[in-house]
Amino acid sequence: GAVVSQHPSRVICKSGTSVKIECRSLDFQATTMFWYRQFPKQSLMLMATSNEGSKATYEQGVEKDKFLINHASLTLSTLTVTSAHPEDSSFYICSASNRGVNTDTQYFGPGTRLTVL
Amino acid sequence: GNSVTQMEGPVTLSEEAFLTINCTYTATGYPSLFWYVQYPGEGLQLLLKATKADDKGSNKGFEATYRKETTSFHLEKGSVQVSDSAVYFCALRPLTGGGNKLTFGTGTQLKVEL
Repeated sequence: GAVVSQHPSRVICKSGTSVKIECRSLDFQATTMFWYRQFPKQSLMLMATSNEGSKATYEQGVEKDKFLINHASLTLSTLTVTSAHPEDSSFYICSASNRGVNTDTQYFGPGTRLTVL
Repeated sequence: GNSVTQMEGPVTLSEEAFLTINCTYTATGYPSLFWYVQYPGEGLQLLLKATKADDKGSNKGFEATYRKETTSFHLEKGSVQVSDSAVYFCALRPLTGGGNKLTFGTGTQLKVEL
């Protein structure tokens, strides 16, 4: 089946630093990638949708200058948390869709646990 | 707007017990409905789906039927195993206007004991 990887799986950083999380589709081309945030015992919250070669579309309330998303190729999207603060600590999950926006299943990565000290 | 409501967990069952995890939704029109499962330390995996009313999705012994009249998509399994221990998420995707976006419920943790 379709496999999506994320790197790193865990990261701890100091407040004020920036952290980059990578999401890769390993065996298929991902025309669309999604970034989610998951709080303990809560649902996945969609942060943004990115299409290869174009700017990401952010959900309401998500700061695009703080959460920079790049989808430079059909197999890689990155999320950069800039000037991270403790309230940014969370579990970040990406997913990828491989047949266009309206038709296909999302395949999820294993997630990245970010802890900001 | 669209929303999904799941029963709160954790749900703890003995092996071979019958499982039901309730899921109801609010959406305009006829969304597609999904159940995803997240095993410890892993990403979400699609378990089953249904795209229209009265459809039944099934996989690995799990079933869920799309009930338009009750706006529900309850997950059932006749005999659970320890290996079914995981977090289960109900989700919907709108028919139109939402792209491929998914709206998730809060997840229900299932613990199966010997």
